[in-house]
Amino acid sequence: DGGITQSPKYLFRKEGQNVTLSCEQNLNHDAMYWYRQDPGQGLRLIYYSQIVNDFQKGDIAEGYSVSREKKESFPLTVTSAQKNPTAFYLCASSARGYSNQPQHFGDGTRLSIL
Amino acid sequence: QQQVKQSPQSLIVQKGGISIINCAYENTAFDYFPWYQQFPGKGPALLIAIRPDVSEKKEGRFTISFNKSAKQFSLHIMDSQPGDSATYFCAASPDSNYQLIWGAGTKLIIKP
Repeated sequence: DGGITQSPKYLFRKEGQNVTLSCEQNLNHDAMYWYRQDPGQGLRLIYYSQIVNDFQKGDIAEGYSVSREKKESFPLTVTSAQKNPTAFYLCASSARGYSNQPQHFGDGTRLSIL
Repeated sequence: QQQVKQSPQSLIVQKGGISIINCAYENTAFDYFPWYQQFPGKGPALLIAIRPDVSEKKEGRFTISFNKSAKQFSLHIMDSQPGDSATYFCAASPDSNYQLIWGAGTKLIIKP
């Protein structure tokens, strides 16, 4: 089955620690996205990538980093500079990097602070 | 101008009733309006989308109504079922832009 796989489902971060969230897709999509979801708020874009080896900052990129070395993979690192990392993180992909393309989402990673 | 305002924040509807969720926008350049459905612990999934050249789009029990002059669009769920209980997000974007602007979401509960 084609889809997006996010791992782990739950993740805990200690103070001063960087953590990496995995996102893999087998849909052969060009574009991939990372969103942060907080209770009572819509999805906020962290980073997006329209093509391999290229990515752009979204609205809330501070304290996060990404890489796009392979078409299938778009890992997100939450660095120690992100002071309020507790949230539900969603990865998505679309066939092309345009907003009128349906975005397919993974089932998310819930990150908490120890 | 980049905001999409969604209401209500939460909604309880009896089984068989009509659920109505509203969204409003300011940016007249927006011309793509999707609705996503999200179940607990899952990612959102595209439900239905509309462009401003039509005033209404229907897919099964789900209908989007669009009022270009009022800059509003709404989702109607007819004959609401307990399985429709989920969080619904509206979104908007200028066509061919990279970024969707998301509403804050509506938590819908359908009572049996």
